[in-house]
Amino acid sequence: RKEVEQDPGPFNVPEGATVAFNCTYSNSASQSFFWYRQDCRKEPKLLMSVYSSGNEDGRFTAQLNRASQYISLLIRDSKLSDSATYLCVVNMGGNKLVFGAGTILRVKS
Amino acid sequence: DAEITQSPRHKITETGRQVTLACHQTWNHNNMFWYRQDLGHGLRLIHYSYGVQDTNKGEVSDGYSVSRSNTEDLPLTLESAASSQTSVYFCASSDWVGGELFFGEGSRLTVL
Repeated sequence: RKEVEQDPGPFNVPEGATVAFNCTYSNSASQSFFWYRQDCRKEPKLLMSVYSSGNEDGRFTAQLNRASQYISLLIRDSKLSDSATYLCVVNMGGNKLVFGAGTILRVKS
Repeated sequence: DAEITQSPRHKITETGRQVTLACHQTWNHNNMFWYRQDLGHGLRLIHYSYGVQDTNKGEVSDGYSVSRSNTEDLPLTLESAASSQTSVYFCASSDWVGGELFFGEGSRLTVL
């Protein structure tokens, strides 16, 4: 089993839709979590950090479920510009950051 | 503005050649990292450094080396390039260990 797993997608959604993707992790002791956004052929950039039960920033909400060991990212009112790959990153302890392979989101007009 | 730059952005080389990818950051971060990204895999850590003269192996370090002689630079060397090292390489830095990573634009390496 991979340490961090994501549904690769792609998730194809219309503009204005709400979309959510999950990321599961193997280490129950993990304390911090991140969502990065990566545009095609570009570098990853931090979207959101999660240190407790969740975080919200505008249209983006991240929720952590420690019991089931997953973190979700919810995007409301999707925009064309949200099309990207979303990378889940988990601090596995000892400051070991493990990246998921990413979930592709395509927002269509 | 502070930034992190990588060079070259694209390189094609032959099997067995030595290759060095440069990474330079002006954030004044102590922590620097090299990752490779391949289809179907997340970013995988090659080497990392927590300060000058400090280097550590990551999960996929075989065939790679780094050196840290100053705060700004962490060059990645492929001793003898292999086709399996064809990949996109990202350098990153962070202000504190386990914190936000700031990535360079990536270096696309093809080994023929």
